[in-house]
Amino acid sequence: DAGITQSPRYKITETGRQVTLMCHQTWSHSYMFWYRQDLGHGLRLIYYSAAADITDKGEVPDGYVVSRSKTENFPLTLESATRSQTSVYFCASSDPRTEQYFGPGTRLTVT
Amino acid sequence: GNSVTQMEGPVTLSEEAFLTINCTYTATGYPSLFWYVQYPGEGLQLLLKATKADDKGSNKGFEATYRKETTSFHLEKGSVQVSDSAVYFCALSNAGGTSYGKLTFGQGTILTVHP
Repeated sequence: DAGITQSPRYKITETGRQVTLMCHQTWSHSYMFWYRQDLGHGLRLIYYSAAADITDKGEVPDGYVVSRSKTENFPLTLESATRSQTSVYFCASSDPRTEQYFGPGTRLTVT
Repeated sequence: GNSVTQMEGPVTLSEEAFLTINCTYTATGYPSLFWYVQYPGEGLQLLLKATKADDKGSNKGFEATYRKETTSFHLEKGSVQVSDSAVYFCALSNAGGTSYGKLTFGQGTILTVHP
């Protein structure tokens, strides 16, 4: 499929478990981003990447790990999930001089 | 640091009513400003943008003007439709006129339009 996809779309996990959210884009955009969306906070940047093997922290990086071995993929891992990480997670991608394109989101519930 | 403040919601209107959603910002330098829209169950889509003072962004009947003197970027539409029901986010970026840099979002405003 063309565009930007996220998987899974919905996930329920238990406190303490490791969870990986996947993001894949077909445009070969150099920049990729992970945001979380919470009521009252809008979207907050977790991590971003300017190119393969280049990542940097955003506003709320604690408890998350990212990697980017290939340009098209940008997985987000919660190493030990906590209830406070219950949220909707959005991946986005862009190139210099283009808008950010967002994926459909992953709704994560940590019980 | 950068911040964006949107008017408190939710906003409920009747079809064909006039819409204003207020947005003010704090930023260093000369940020670019954006409005994104999120329809139910979907990701965000860029609605319009403005990259310098006094620029007006417009799309689908929506407009917003970049006012540097009041640090504002209010979203307006003259006649809303039921299909405009969505969450609207104001955002800014300092990345020199593009959005490849980090976006700072407001908290979002839920708009519901009734027939």
